[in-house]
Amino acid sequence: DTGVSQNPRHKITKRGQNVTFRCDPISEHNRLYWYRQTLGQGPEFLTYFQNEAQLEKSRLLSDRFSAERPKGSFSTLEIQRTEQGDSAMYLCASSQLGQLEAFFGQGTRLTVV
Amino acid sequence: DAKTTQPNSMESNEEEPVHLPCNHSTISGTDYIHWYRQLPSQGPEYVIHGLTSNVNNRMASLAIAEDRKSSTLILHRATLRDAAVYYCIPGGTASKLTFGTGTRLQVTL
Repeated sequence: DTGVSQNPRHKITKRGQNVTFRCDPISEHNRLYWYRQTLGQGPEFLTYFQNEAQLEKSRLLSDRFSAERPKGSFSTLEIQRTEQGDSAMYLCASSQLGQLEAFFGQGTRLTVV
Repeated sequence: DAKTTQPNSMESNEEEPVHLPCNHSTISGTDYIHWYRQLPSQGPEYVIHGLTSNVNNRMASLAIAEDRKSSTLILHRATLRDAAVYYCIPGGTASKLTFGTGTRLQVTL
């Protein structure tokens, strides 16, 4: 297994456009998380899934953000009508239920111009 | 979530031990203490976790104070590849990790 995979690694978009990121977790992991990280800060929790169910969403996840995990496998994070403040690194992580160790991908760096 | 306090930065010479402290005085009785690190341009990486007893693994050791209000991550022989931001995270299972700003470790020759 190659670990958690995120695509694309980098995305530059114009303000107002929609963007979608993909995360492929480690295959047997049933929990999947999304985090956002801005420069100089630690990652901030956005949302997490257990299998296909979205169990928790942060207040950071405005109505322009939506995440899905169809069939409990890969996940997508969509940002509609992007704003410059959305520029950040978006990190995905996965873990097995009951395990304390989360495995992170390398992230997708979004730049909104 | 328990509040944590870590030094903003620390420096170490290569091949020397490094002790990274963390205060988590509001930790709940059932919270684990997780440590993650983030190398430049990488996602965070799990280092170690503990509950009450000191823990060792191939990467590091974790010393937990008897009152659990503080802990220390110990890198026994720092290398240049250990230069990273180290995060101390009290919490339950990995359903939600609350990262602070961590300690930036610089390792020099």
